[in-house]
Amino acid sequence: NAGVTQTPKFQVLKTGQSMTLQCAQDMNHEYMSWYRQDPGMGLRLIHYSVGAGITDQGEVPNGYNVSRSTTEDFPLRLLSAAPSQTSVYFCASSYYPGQGNTDTQYFGPGTRLTVL
Amino acid sequence: QKEVEQDPGPLSVPEGAIVSLNCTYSNSAFQYFMWYRQYSRKGPELLMYTYSSGNKEDGRFTAQVDKSSKYISLFIRDSQPSDSATYLCAMSGVSQGGGYNKLIFGAGTRLAVHP
Repeated sequence: NAGVTQTPKFQVLKTGQSMTLQCAQDMNHEYMSWYRQDPGMGLRLIHYSVGAGITDQGEVPNGYNVSRSTTEDFPLRLLSAAPSQTSVYFCASSYYPGQGNTDTQYFGPGTRLTVL
Repeated sequence: QKEVEQDPGPLSVPEGAIVSLNCTYSNSAFQYFMWYRQYSRKGPELLMYTYSSGNKEDGRFTAQVDKSSKYISLFIRDSQPSDSATYLCAMSGVSQGGGYNKLIFGAGTRLAVHP
């Protein structure tokens, strides 16, 4: 199993450009999430998905779009990049938690994004 | 006020020391408590998971939850240079009807264990 993979590892954008961060998992997990990590802020949830065709907003969704057409893939789109979106982005996946369980999340290696 | 507070450190200790990492929280609905370890330029990985109050031990690691004080701890015994990493606490409430169980993370504490 490759686990959770993310591409690219690094990206530099100019203000106003758009791009898509790719995320894929091969563990047949229902749940997938995108987080951003900034110094002193920990991990903050951007968007998440509970299954193919279903997405919802997290804590900091503005400026980002997601879609989930397959169980395996969960791309994150930056519509018009801003310097405030400079961050490290992590994709995570987990099993359907079930009643009384928590979702142990498996994280990808991250994408380091700089917006100039 | 953040829901989860965690001292960012850095914390520097000699090899073999006992390390204590802590988080406080404000939401009394939290029931699941986790510690993730994150090595430099890597994604976080789950280290310890505890449900409700009490202690859990796994090798050199012990997780403690005190719900009455809204305080959780991670202890590392006989610390090794390979333990040098950022440690993030995370917590969530009970999943309602199979809904997504959102994790709330602390800011992370950077630990350095020197030989």
